[in-house]
Amino acid sequence: QKEVEQDPGPLSVPEGAIVSLNCTYSNSAFQYFMWYRQYSRKGPELLMYTYSSGNKEDGRFTAQVDKSSKYISLFIRDSQPSDSATYLCAFFSGGYNKLIFGAGTRLAVHP
Amino acid sequence: GAVVSQHPSRVICKSGTSVKIECRSLDFQATTMFWYRQFPKQSLMLMATSNEGSKATYEQGVEKDKFLINHASLTLSTLTVTSAHPEDSSFYICSARGTENLAGGLSTDTQYFGPGTRLTVL
Repeated sequence: QKEVEQDPGPLSVPEGAIVSLNCTYSNSAFQYFMWYRQYSRKGPELLMYTYSSGNKEDGRFTAQVDKSSKYISLFIRDSQPSDSATYLCAFFSGGYNKLIFGAGTRLAVHP
Repeated sequence: GAVVSQHPSRVICKSGTSVKIECRSLDFQATTMFWYRQFPKQSLMLMATSNEGSKATYEQGVEKDKFLINHASLTLSTLTVTSAHPEDSSFYICSARGTENLAGGLSTDTQYFGPGTRLTVL
């Protein structure tokens, strides 16, 4: 079993739709949960960061963590064509000296 | 968030030559930097962890003699691809460990990524 599972997509939605991106993980030692956004041919950009179960909201983005189910989600409201990118979930634990990434989900928002 | 730069952004070289890529943390000091490689439509693959003043730690399957890493200062790490071959063509991304401030006065580690370097070996 992989430590992190993330559907690579692609996911295609119309402008204005609500997007749900998800990752599951198996390592209960993961303490910090992140979402990165990567535009084509660019480095990843930290989008959301949380360390506890529950929801964290930032503008049109909501990160949700369910530690009991080992499941994290990123919701994008009122999606825009500029949101078209690859979204990577990432995990960090004190036992690791590095981030563990999901495969990334490619999202395309069409006008 | 913190800023990390990479230079060059794009390089094309002949097979057999060596290429150096620089990674700089511009507004913070990074004792640890990471080097990743990314093939088209694939996720990031960690190559090595670079610690300032000590030898890099390479991931399994990464040739340390081919991918030379130097972390001579708290703001600069370099990756040299020696005797590059077409199969080394890829997108190389560095990241630097920094601190993210959370709510309630808490802070914790995270990674800030550079913009990447696209290497094409002819």
